[in-house]
Amino acid sequence: EAQVTQNPRYLITVTGKKLTVTCSQNMNHEYMSWYRQDPGLGLRQIYYSMNVEVTDKGDVPEGYKVSRKEKRNFPLILESPSPNQTSLYFCASSQPQGRLVLCEQYFGPGTRLTVT
Amino acid sequence: AQKVTQAQTEISVVEKEDVTLDCVYETRDTTYYLFWYKQPPSGELVFLIRRNSFDEQNEISGRYSWNFQKSTSSFNFTITASQVVDSAVYFCALSERSNYKLTFGKGTLLTVNP
Repeated sequence: EAQVTQNPRYLITVTGKKLTVTCSQNMNHEYMSWYRQDPGLGLRQIYYSMNVEVTDKGDVPEGYKVSRKEKRNFPLILESPSPNQTSLYFCASSQPQGRLVLCEQYFGPGTRLTVT
Repeated sequence: AQKVTQAQTEISVVEKEDVTLDCVYETRDTTYYLFWYKQPPSGELVFLIRRNSFDEQNEISGRYSWNFQKSTSSFNFTITASQVVDSAVYFCALSERSNYKLTFGKGTLLTVNP
């Protein structure tokens, strides 16, 4: 089954304790991306990756890091989480079609992060 | 900079009513892509449609239809004969060809009451 998986699904942590949210897709997609969803703000893009070792900032990259060492995985790293990073996080992937990079995106189930 | 505005924060209708969700976008690119996604109460994000800037044809899929008008920079979504299962948050999104960012609107919460 084609899917995007995220782990963990729920996480409660404390300020400053480094954490990683994993994202994996089994569709051999080149493009992957992370978003955060906050009430009243919709979804905002954090980082995206066009392919292995190619990443770029989205609209809200501060406080986050990513890496793309393998095509299927795109982990989101919070080196020193703060309460304002409490949010619902989504990973997504898509496969470019010709010059169209952002086709239908497949989203993971989401990770609800609480930083106290 | 690309921007998407969904002015309707919440809409409430009674089953079988038609409802239109508005989406207005801003972009400097001549080539861009517009999307609609649905987020039901269960939380997952479901792709509904993609429209390319060079294709202004309106689209119909069952009870769903989309009206793309470049002259007004709008990409509105209409649900005909709404059903309770249509209750969800609907997001409009924009991607410019010159970059690979995807910008979402803030979403419209649609509640369809029986």
